[in-house]
Amino acid sequence: QITLKESGPTVVKPTQTLTLTCTLSGFSVSTTGVGVGWIRQTPGKAPEWLSLIYWNDDKRYRPSLRGRLTITKDNSKNQVVLTMTNMDPVDTATYFCAHSPWYSSGAFNIWGPGTTVTVSS
Amino acid sequence: DIHLTQFPSTLSASVGDRVTITCRASQNITTWLAWYQQKPGKAPKFLIYKASSLESGVPSRFSGSGSGTEFTLTITGLQPDDFATYYCQQYNSYLFTFGQGTKLDFK
Repeated sequence: QITLKESGPTVVKPTQTLTLTCTLSGFSVSTTGVGVGWIRQTPGKAPEWLSLIYWNDDKRYRPSLRGRLTITKDNSKNQVVLTMTNMDPVDTATYFCAHSPWYSSGAFNIWGPGTTVTVSS
Repeated sequence: DIHLTQFPSTLSASVGDRVTITCRASQNITTWLAWYQQKPGKAPKFLIYKASSLESGVPSRFSGSGSGTEFTLTITGLQPDDFATYYCQQYNSYLFTFGQGTKLDFK
């Protein structure tokens, strides 16, 4: 059974760097065809895709956030980490990590429960 | 950016009804479209991929169709568990985008 779980701080101050970890279970981040993505959502709004990393370390970013985002994976820990620099109150949201399957790369078939991040001084 | 427009924004229906939600893309995305269901406080649930393929474990009352720029999600025989918000998502280009959502509520 595939599961994902996000972890990280619940509150960060403006200008700080946010580091979120997605711990994977039931699959390996190095399995051919697999991707793991990050998506965020504010209440009442549509999800917003942020980044995606593939099994072969190919990385994709939301263009408007490209300079602030870094996605990496640790095969030995089976984790994917997203860092976002220069946090702003508008970045307050629930952040989800999600599994992108080989049969529909770019869609997300299994999601973590999400972690809420508040940006406030 | 590929913009997705869903309509209606809100849909009122009753148990047993057949409902259809439309998702229109601002440019051709062939069949690179997914549908999700989301309930308050929960992560989205994956329903449909490649416009019309039903994800394993999803009830057959859900179906998707379309290609190019016009897509639909149909639920035939609404169940109480189906009242939720539905989103479409395109993954044709590397700025994956979601529609603004359709809230399905009780009539």
